[in-house]
Amino acid sequence: GEDVEQSLFLSVREGDSSVINCTYTDSSSTYLYWYKQEPGAGLQLLTYIFSNMDMKQDQRLTVLLNKKDKHLSLRIADTQTGDSAIYFCADMNSGYSTLTFGKGTMLLVSP
Amino acid sequence: DVKVTQSSRYLVKRTGEKVFLECVQDMDHENMFWYRQDPGLGLRLIYFSYDVKMKEKGDIPEGYSVSREKKERFSLILESASTNQTSMYLCASRISGRGETQYFGPGTRLLVL
Repeated sequence: GEDVEQSLFLSVREGDSSVINCTYTDSSSTYLYWYKQEPGAGLQLLTYIFSNMDMKQDQRLTVLLNKKDKHLSLRIADTQTGDSAIYFCADMNSGYSTLTFGKGTMLLVSP
Repeated sequence: DVKVTQSSRYLVKRTGEKVFLECVQDMDHENMFWYRQDPGLGLRLIYFSYDVKMKEKGDIPEGYSVSREKKERFSLILESASTNQTSMYLCASRISGRGETQYFGPGTRLLVL
């Protein structure tokens, strides 16, 4: 079946850039998403990229997609303590219905 | 703004009890989803529904059932709760269509004793 992999933990200092990486196996993925989960809360959509795009920028967020290597990354510029959360990568199946999630990357931002 | 609400934030039940988790969305979304989230396992899809009275099994449906009698409401039922169903349960909804994202509720943390 489809699989989405992420590293489990990332620690950065406030003001640095953070890069969270994700790999997926489904070659027919159509859309790829980044969600953020703060403690005790549900998931909040951060950004997404269509599979025929290489890059998408949205304020402090930059998403890079290497479709050949099935590699997705999320870069957060000028990381703040409020960015501390769990970040999930997800890909939408070719049927446009369900998402497959990675296990999540916990980002810890220290002052 | 899309709003997805779940009936309880925290729930404590005993083994063998029948448990109902309710999810309501206010945006007339066709698709609704139930996930469970466990440390180290991420989100796993239990059941989803394309529309009223329709349901599809996800990756881990065993021990669960669902009900979708009205478009805005999707219920997850644990017929006989067990301790291994202690988890965070997340509901999501989306409008049907290419690329449309899922919107999540705040989650219900269930403890089965």
